[in-house]
Amino acid sequence: AQTVTQSQPEMSVQEAETVTLSCTYDTSENNYYLFWYKQPPSRQMILVIRQEAYKQQNATENRFSVNFQKAAKSFSLKISDSQLGDTAMYFCAFMGRDDKIIFGKGTRLHILP
Amino acid sequence: ETGVTQSPTHLIKTRGQQVTLRCSSQSGHNTVSWYQQALGQGPQFIFQYYREEENGRGNFPPRFSGLQFPNYSSELNVNALELDDSALYLCASSSGTTSYEQYFGPGTRLTVT
Repeated sequence: AQTVTQSQPEMSVQEAETVTLSCTYDTSENNYYLFWYKQPPSRQMILVIRQEAYKQQNATENRFSVNFQKAAKSFSLKISDSQLGDTAMYFCAFMGRDDKIIFGKGTRLHILP
Repeated sequence: ETGVTQSPTHLIKTRGQQVTLRCSSQSGHNTVSWYQQALGQGPQFIFQYYREEENGRGNFPPRFSGLQFPNYSSELNVNALELDDSALYLCASSSGTTSYEQYFGPGTRLTVT
């Protein structure tokens, strides 16, 4: 069975700094998708970034980028120039052959003014 | 284009009762997935509906059931409520069963006393 592990329950960084959130996963599949979702206090889950496992190039969306290491089964999220609005829970998630999304337990990120 | 909506926002029920939660999918989407998010945890997949048929189920007992209607809106029904059913229930809509572009609703907070 696939698993997703986020080892940092909570992090705090100063505004404008760069922060990296860690995620590891376990699967025997070769083709799959990985995601980072953001859940602000308003509760609405928002997709931040997506990575297809067959693509070697790391995905980037504006200030958000990932470091995808397929062999190590690692998928970290880097937030550059962090902003107060980045304060939220961040979930790493996996989707394999069965098209079902498996979420990690999340990292609570605080951006400090 | 309207987003995913859920009703009600909050709900308080007594152990043993039954509850129905509702979800309206985003315009143009024919697939709805339901998730249970316990406090401090990541969402857990309950089941998915595609074109009015159940298309996959997570590790939840049969007292969790669902429906999808011709307009692709959906209901989640939970019978014989237990205290552990207290959680945020999220629905997400997508186009087709390959759900890497899921759009989440704001959730329904269910409290079972």
